Amino acid sequence: AQSVTQLDSQVPVFEEAPVELRCNYSSSVSVYLFWYVQYPNQGLQLLLKHLSGSTLVESINGFEAEFNKSQTSFHLRKPSVHISDTAEYFCAVSKITGGGNKLTFGTGTQLKVEL
Amino acid sequence: GAGVSQSPSNKVTEKGKDVELRCDPISGHTALYWYRQSLGQGLEFLIYFQGNSAPDKSGLPSDRFSAERTGGSVSTLTIQRTQQEDSAVYLCASSLGPYSDEQYFGPGTRLTVT
Repeated sequence: AQSVTQLDSQVPVFEEAPVELRCNYSSSVSVYLFWYVQYPNQGLQLLLKHLSGSTLVESINGFEAEFNKSQTSFHLRKPSVHISDTAEYFCAVSKITGGGNKLTFGTGTQLKVEL
Repeated sequence: GAGVSQSPSNKVTEKGKDVELRCDPISGHTALYWYRQSLGQGLEFLIYFQGNSAPDKSGLPSDRFSAERTGGSVSTLTIQRTQQEDSAVYLCASSLGPYSDEQYFGPGTRLTVT
């Protein structure tokens, strides 16, 4: 079985400041890694994913995440946040083996960007 | 094209009543997932459908929960004899196939059991 830990339930940050949202996972098999974002009153959207290859993955809106296998982490970072980044962010994993892509989510981190 | 749609968006029901939640996946997506988002449990997987294969029901919390998918498209999640702990947002997601790494989520149905 897999599990995902997001230690920070809330992260307040001022606009234009850097931010890191932490995610650690546990799994006995290789996994896919994801970050999903849920903006206020909207559905979950895929932000970025790591399937294989480069350990650093980037999104179109400036977020990046680095897969660290030895530390079983997939932390999300942005060098300069904007007020519109205010949302809840969920880290998730799924097994690479067949039978669907059932996601196991962390408990989420609420990012609040303040002026 | 249209995304995943769910209905109703909100449902308030009395304890003990049955409820049906509907999900319309993206056209052409053969894989369909149901998840539940609740305060106590976070986001958790409930059930997975792939085409006409038998569903993976490993995440259903009790036998009061069931789901079906007709014609490989629309899915209905049914909760019988609802309890207050069933109150949650029920999310549906679809993807191109079982090995597709991206799931597209619907807006969810907020269920409140009084």
